[in-house]
Amino acid sequence: ETGVTQTPRHLVMGMTNKKSLKCEQHLGHNAMYWYKQSAKKPLELMFVYSLEERVENNSVPSRFSPECPNSSHLFLHLHTLQPEDSALYLCASSQDPVDTQYFGPGTRLTVL
Amino acid sequence: AQSVSQHNHHVILSEAASLELGCNYSYGGTVNLFWYVQYPGQHLQLLLKYFSGDPLVKGIKGFEAEFIKSKFSFNLRKPSVQWSDTAEYFCAVNGNAGNNRKLIWGLGTSLAVNP
Repeated sequence: ETGVTQTPRHLVMGMTNKKSLKCEQHLGHNAMYWYKQSAKKPLELMFVYSLEERVENNSVPSRFSPECPNSSHLFLHLHTLQPEDSALYLCASSQDPVDTQYFGPGTRLTVL
Repeated sequence: AQSVSQHNHHVILSEAASLELGCNYSYGGTVNLFWYVQYPGQHLQLLLKYFSGDPLVKGIKGFEAEFIKSKFSFNLRKPSVQWSDTAEYFCAVNGNAGNNRKLIWGLGTSLAVNP
C-alpha cells in the first residue's frame, strides 16, 4: 500500500489550458520529488523539495511550476503545455534526499 | 558524466528459469545503489538497495543483487522466476554529498515471464 497519493490519475488538456497535479505523502518524509516518465527514456528528475525548499530544478521549462506548501503536499502547476509534454508524471518522497524514494501511482498526462 | 546502463531492454523467460539483469554505472565517489520494480498498472517500488556492508544484498520476493565495485556493476538475480515477476525493472544510483545525491536512473528492463 503506497503512502504517496496522486490526483488526478489521468488528465487530458489542451495546449492553452491551466491545470495542476497534486501529490500527498503520508509517510512523514522531508523530501518530495517530481519525475517525468516517458517511453524509451530514463526517469527524468524535474524538481526536488527538501524541508519545503526547492533544492533541485533540472532546467525544466517554465510552463511547469512546482509548489510545496508543506512537507506533505506537492503540486505541479501546468500551463501552455506542448504535445511532447505528454507523459506519466510521478511524485515521490523520501526521508532525506539520499534515502529510498517512495513513489505514487502517477498522473498520465495527455496534451492535445 | 554520471550514468546508469542497463544492458537488457527486453527479456523473455519461462517460469523457473534463472534471471540476471545487468546494471553498470559511471559515477565518481561513494555510491548508493537501488533496484526498483514497476508491476503492470502499479507504482514504482523498491526491490532492494545497497548502501554499505555486505555487497550481496537480499531483497523482496527472492531477488538479490551483488555490488562489484571493480566492475562498477550491480546486477540483479533471481534463481527461479515466476509469472508474477513480469514487470519493468529499474537500476538507480546516487551518492551521499551535494549534487551527487540526485538519483540517476537506467532506462529499465522489461521482463516478461511466460507461464
